[in-house]
Amino acid sequence: ELKVEQNPLFLSMQEGKNYTIYCNYSTTSDRLYWYRQDPGKSLESLFVLLSNGAVKQEGRLMASLDTKARLSTLHITAAVHDLSATYFCAVERGGADGLTFGKGTHLIIQP
Amino acid sequence: NAGVTQTPKFRILKIGQSMTLQCAQDMNHNYMYWYRQDPGMGLKLIYYSVGAGITDKGEVPNGYNVSRSTTEDFPLRLELAAPSQTSVYFCASSYSTPYEQYFGPGTRLTVT
Repeated sequence: ELKVEQNPLFLSMQEGKNYTIYCNYSTTSDRLYWYRQDPGKSLESLFVLLSNGAVKQEGRLMASLDTKARLSTLHITAAVHDLSATYFCAVERGGADGLTFGKGTHLIIQP
Repeated sequence: NAGVTQTPKFRILKIGQSMTLQCAQDMNHNYMYWYRQDPGMGLKLIYYSVGAGITDKGEVPNGYNVSRSTTEDFPLRLELAAPSQTSVYFCASSYSTPYEQYFGPGTRLTVT
């Protein structure tokens, strides 16, 4: 059974600081996705990582994938309040059998 | 493009009632999915479909049924609603795999 663990599950940080969210998964996969969810809203796709060593950046967010360690990271640089949200990583085993999600990291960025 | 649409947005059911959650997409995606999200948790896959007429169970299919008669629509049927089915239900679609999934706005369901 594929398990996906995120940590931390809750993070409160100040604007301007850097931080990293970690996503570990239990079985071999080279397909990892990051999503953002605002309170009461749907999920918005952030990054799709499809190979070992993949790195993608969008604004203050950067995601990477290490398939050998079964680890993905989402790094936040110089956080701003607008990045406050819940961030989910999700792993696809292959084929079309959907995504397995972590529990999410609830991020609050305070001025 | 409307993307992925879901109806209704909210619904309250009594125990034992049945209902159908509607999902439609206008992106001509072959792959469609139903997930549920319980409070403070990630999403769990209920059912998925890789094309019209083809469906398969996900991680938590008990108490649900699906059908896929067209590429655009993927309704989720709840039979004999139970309090454990209180959740937010998201429908998603993708062009193929491995491609990002696009999520609908969700249906918040309460069973009392």
